[in-house]
Amino acid sequence: AIRMTQSPSSLSASTGDRVTITCRASQGISSYLAWYQQKPGKAPKLLIYAASTLQSGVPSRFSGSGSGTDFTLTISCLQSEDFATYYCQQYYSYPTFGQGTKVEIK
Amino acid sequence: QVQLQESGPGLVKPSETLSLTCTVSGGSISSYYWSWIRQPPGKGLEWIGYIYYSGSTNYNPSLKSRVTISVDTSKNQFSLKLSSVTAADTAVYYCARKRSGYYDSSGYYYFDYWGQGTLVTVSS
Repeated sequence: AIRMTQSPSSLSASTGDRVTITCRASQGISSYLAWYQQKPGKAPKLLIYAASTLQSGVPSRFSGSGSGTDFTLTISCLQSEDFATYYCQQYYSYPTFGQGTKVEIK
Repeated sequence: QVQLQESGPGLVKPSETLSLTCTVSGGSISSYYWSWIRQPPGKGLEWIGYIYYSGSTNYNPSLKSRVTISVDTSKNQFSLKLSSVTAADTAVYYCARKRSGYYDSSGYYYFDYWGQGTLVTVSS
């Protein structure tokens, strides 16, 4: 199975900060990478797919980049509603998720 | 707007079979792939498997021997059965719609609509 490693596991940030989360695949996955946001007690919400395509309705402060093994999710100007846990998800032979990055209030 | 809703017992005894159903509303189950994904309390997400509306399936290799996913297009529902459960199967179980393909030189595979999730506890 392809292993997805997210970093950091958690971070503290303030409203207005620029935040970057990294996801590394154990082998190349081309652009088969999606990002989700999950708030406590809720289902994950799709933010980005195909590594860099913004899902309809998701604010433009979210962006994704990368290809192959290294990917990033960037929140350009953190808002209060963005404090949550973020997961990357890859597809190669079958989908797997990263372990999550918790974004907390500083 | 497509909506998904999981239903089924919240408590299952060890060694028994976990059974859940996902009802799709606001759209047809036809022409799409439908997945089950789970999340143990306080942990990350694990894909269980998917079914196409025609009935073809694909399962996570680590669960394949215990998983069966089926579909009932007349009811706009699909179901999960997980046999021989243990405490390690305690989790929130989500149903979700899978989208995949290749567009503009980029491949994609993601889950765009999710149910709210249902907690299943395995305990005697």
